[in-house]
Amino acid sequence: GAGVSQTPSNKVTEKGKYVELRCDPISGHTALYWYRQSLGQGPEFLIYFQGTGAADDSGLPNDRFFAVRPEGSVSTLKIQRTERGDSAVYLCASSLLAGGTHEQFFGPGTRLTVL
Amino acid sequence: GDSVTQMEGPVTLSEEAFLTINCTYTATGYPSLFWYVQYPGEGLQLLLKATKADDKGSNKGFEATYRKETTSFHLEKGSVQVSDSAVYFCALSGIYNQGGKLIFGQGTELSVKP
Repeated sequence: GAGVSQTPSNKVTEKGKYVELRCDPISGHTALYWYRQSLGQGPEFLIYFQGTGAADDSGLPNDRFFAVRPEGSVSTLKIQRTERGDSAVYLCASSLLAGGTHEQFFGPGTRLTVL
Repeated sequence: GDSVTQMEGPVTLSEEAFLTINCTYTATGYPSLFWYVQYPGEGLQLLLKATKADDKGSNKGFEATYRKETTSFHLEKGSVQVSDSAVYFCALSGIYNQGGKLIFGQGTELSVKP
């Protein structure tokens, strides 16, 4: 079956603009995670959803970042007033259930560049 | 807080050489431990995992043993191939983190030459 997909694959924007990044998880996966990966670093956790609710948003860097998953499937990560420091690859992952023993399947990522 | 430290790369080996990539962690209790791999142009993939002390995860000839006494989860392979060239990430999921969020190391790039 299809894996996790993310759109767009690349996004170039100007400082101060608003962007939305989309994630389509594997069908039937109840848990969805967002991570951010800067060049030469490992992914850093941002937020995760169990169903429609954000169960842990402790990794969101500030209130310019927000994510939704209104129907428990597709999720959108929204960034307001983008800054150059937001440039990174944004990764989405899904798993059948939340919890450390369940494998997370990662999407290819969205590369965000803020000019 | 919980953290993961990996040996710095890049690591360059000849084909059929023995591979070790060191990984140590700091966490409360007994976290689950993972190795993920990112091949060029591809997304992160789970390579192997171990969920309790002394467990050995293995896949595709790679192995790692969960060592509680040394808080380590070193990745090993007896004979690497050119196709193993990739970036390898060690990660943990903490015992008190019921949601399973992963904490990653910084990654180790492996380059295998023919």
